[in-house]
Amino acid sequence: AQSVTQLDSHVSVSEGTPVLLRCNYSSSYSPSLFWYVQHPNKGLQLLLKYTSAATLVKGINGFEAEFKKSETSFHLTKPSAHMSDAAEYFCVVSEPGTYKYIFGTGTRLKVLA
Amino acid sequence: GAGVSQSPSNKVTEKGKDVELRCDPISGHTALYWYRQSLGQGLEFLIYFQGNSAPDKSGLPSDRFSAERTGGSVSTLTIQRTQQEDSAVYLCASSLLGSDQYFGPGTRLLVL
Repeated sequence: AQSVTQLDSHVSVSEGTPVLLRCNYSSSYSPSLFWYVQHPNKGLQLLLKYTSAATLVKGINGFEAEFKKSETSFHLTKPSAHMSDAAEYFCVVSEPGTYKYIFGTGTRLKVLA
Repeated sequence: GAGVSQSPSNKVTEKGKDVELRCDPISGHTALYWYRQSLGQGLEFLIYFQGNSAPDKSGLPSDRFSAERTGGSVSTLTIQRTQQEDSAVYLCASSLLGSDQYFGPGTRLLVL
């Protein structure tokens, strides 16, 4: 069975410092992995996705994530946080050929001025 | 182009009342999904429609929940005899078959 664990429910960083949001997954197959962002009172927006091509995936707004099979991780990073990055971030796993997305419980990112 | 839209954006109801939540998917998207996001929780899959196939209702939490999709487009999620634990944000998504899901802004439901 698939599952995804976001290791931190809240992360605070200062503006201009790096961001690291951690995600570990469990899947019997080679999964597809996604990061979504949800700004307050807005819908979910796809940041990036991994689908068995390059292990380092670049997304929108300067975010990227690296798929590490040996560590079953898919951590989200950004070199320099911006105030507009404050939002909730969800890691998602899906098995190939299925339509079901399994969501993590989310990490709320706070960016301090 | 227009994204997924949902209405109402907010709904307050009394315990025991029925509610209907609406989702307008992106035009041409054959797949439609409903999720529930409870406070402090991730998104919970509720139901999936794909074209004219029978929907996957495996995520519906009880028989008070039902959904339909008319004409392969608009979908309505109905909750009968609402309970306080039904309070959540209900999100709809649509996609082309096998492709990325695009989410609507959600309906925030509060059951008093």
